[in-house]
Order: sequence, then C-alpha cells, then structure tokens
Amino acid sequence: DTEVTQTPKHLVMGMTNKKSLKCEQHMGHRAMYWYKQKAKKPPELMFVYSYEKLSINESVPSRFSPECPNSSLLNLHLHALQPEDSALYLCASSHPQSEQPREQYFGPGTRLTVT
Amino acid sequence: DAKTTQPNSMESNEEEPVHLPCNHSTISGTDYIHWYRQLPSQGPEYVIHGLTSNVNNRMASLAIAEDRKSSTLILHRATLRDAAVYYCILRASHSGNTPLVFGKGTRLSVIA
Repeated sequence: DTEVTQTPKHLVMGMTNKKSLKCEQHMGHRAMYWYKQKAKKPPELMFVYSYEKLSINESVPSRFSPECPNSSLLNLHLHALQPEDSALYLCASSHPQSEQPREQYFGPGTRLTVT
Repeated sequence: DAKTTQPNSMESNEEEPVHLPCNHSTISGTDYIHWYRQLPSQGPEYVIHGLTSNVNNRMASLAIAEDRKSSTLILHRATLRDAAVYYCILRASHSGNTPLVFGKGTRLSVIA
C-alpha cells in the first residue's frame, strides 16, 4: 500500500470557523509533511514531522496548527483563516532515516476555500 | 537546496520520445537529482532520481551530464496521461527527510 489519503477532498470555511484537515498513511513512514499550493504555483513546504515531532516550521502563521498524534496520522488544524489562505493543501510522507533522500509520497490534497 | 532551471513549457506528440531538460549549474557533489511530476488535480508523484550515473525505471530514464550541471528526463513514448508539470529538484544527501523545494517546473502538453 503506497497510498496517502487526505480528508476532506474539498472544504469551504468562513473566516471565523475552526476546521481540521486529516492525512493518513500506512507505509510505516516516520516523516510527514504539509505543503501548500496556490493556483498555478508550485507546492511550498509548511511543516515537517519526524518521528512524530515537529522538525521544521517554515514560519507558518499560528492560525495553522499541525498535529501528529501517531506515526500514521497528520492533522492540520485551521482557525481564523483569511481568504488568501485558499489553496490546495498537500500531505506527504517518506522514510526519515536513510543515507540518501528518499522519495516522498503525496496525497491528492484538500482543496480549501476560505470565504 | 541549489537552484534548478527548466523551460516553462514543452509540447510533444503522442507516442514520441520526450526529453525534458534541467540545468543545475551550482549543484554540489552530494546533491541528488530528483524528478517529480504533478498530473492535473493530483498531488505530485515521484518519477526518478540519480546521483551521477544514468538511471532507468518503469516510468522514465534520467540522463545526467558528466559534469552534473545538467540532466534530462526522458519519457520514451509519451502518452496523453503523461501531460503534467515536471519538477527537477536537487536534494542534499544528508537526511532521508529533507523536504522538497519545488521550482516552477515544465508544463508538458501531449498532443494526440
């Protein structure tokens, strides 16, 4: 099973709402990532978790709050978002320990619209 | 991660080979060359990677210049399903979980 699943596929939320994005993988990967992709732009890294600990935060605003409750799950909690946060949110996973950078497996993404 | 340069777009006829170039003149000796592609409405997917030698897999071939300052992703017979944005990414070798730093990539169109 080389699949990364993300739910929901689409999400529309108001600026005062609280919502969460969920990502799941069962490949035994211990590194998980959140990327953000605006329309017609390349993906940009937001967070990296390694062995369930946050290892990289790319200066993401605090209205985005990641959580890694176990080695298979990665959540992104959203609160008080702005319309400019509308984007495709991609989750990925990979083996963290390696002599060389390993391939990352991506989910299909959650298309978020903030109204 | 070092910077890569790719053409914005390329076009190919179906069932013909496609050569997608990538320049990485500031590559360091331990950087791996990775290629990913993103089909419409999907997340990126890994295609191939290499360090110094040419590489082949079921999806594509990767030809790396002797000085490693450029590489070419080769799709041997393009299909309509290969229409995607192709990203050439350099990744340092020190850790398995170095994040991907995406450039603008090359948008490949395949004509039937």
